[in-house]
Amino acid sequence: DIQMTQSPSSLSASVGDRVTITCRASQTISRYLNWYQQKPGKAPKLLIYTASSLQSGVPSRFSGSGSGTDFTLTISSLQPEDFATYYCQQSYTTATFGQGTRLEIK
Amino acid sequence: QVTLRESGPALVKPTQTLTLTCTFSGFSLSTSGMCVSWIRQPPGKALEWLARIDWDDDKFYRTSLKTRLTISKDTSKNQVVLIMTNMDPVDTATYYCARKRGPQLPFDYWGQGTLVTVSS
Repeated sequence: DIQMTQSPSSLSASVGDRVTITCRASQTISRYLNWYQQKPGKAPKLLIYTASSLQSGVPSRFSGSGSGTDFTLTISSLQPEDFATYYCQQSYTTATFGQGTRLEIK
Repeated sequence: QVTLRESGPALVKPTQTLTLTCTFSGFSLSTSGMCVSWIRQPPGKALEWLARIDWDDDKFYRTSLKTRLTISKDTSKNQVVLIMTNMDPVDTATYYCARKRGPQLPFDYWGQGTLVTVSS
C-alpha cells in the first residue's frame, strides 16, 4: 500500500504569512495527489486536485505543485478562515491520506 | 446539486456488525466512471479510506480491514451500503461517504458524516 507522509504535523502562523505544507508518497504517484481542508466538525473540502489544479470556488491564494513522490501545498497569504487541518491524499491506487497538518494561529 | 448523506446506528456493541447506508442525489452510480467510497476518522485523528465501489460494480477494500468489510450498491435507490463486522472500540469514528467522478480523481463531494461509537 502507498503511504503518505505530511510535514509538518502542526504549524503556527500569522494572518498574511506564506505557508507551505509538504507531502511525500512512499512510491511514485505521478500527479495523482489531492489536497483537502477540514475544519472542526465538518467534512473535508477539496482544494487542489491532480497536484496543481484549483478546485472551482477555491481562492487563488491556494496553490499546489509537485510530481512523482514530492508535493507541496502553498497558501500565499493566510486569511483567518484558513486556520484548519490540511490533508493530502493519493488517488494513484485506491486512496491513502496523509496524517494531516494542523495550521494554528500564532 | 450533488448531495450525500450517511445513516446508521450511533452506538454499537463490541463484536456486533455495523451497517451504514449512504444515500445520494444529483448523480447516478450507473454513470461510467462514477465511484463512491467510505472514509472514516477516529476522534482527533486522520482520515482513513475504507472501501470503494465503482459504476461497474468493481469493489476495493483497505488491505488491513478487507476481511471485515463489504460494500454494495443499489443503483435504483441511489444508495451504497457498507457492512463492517466484529466491531471494536477502536472502530469508533465519524464515517463519511464521498464521491469521485473517476477512479483516479479526487473526492469532490462528501456527506456530513455520522459518528459511530463502539461501546458496551
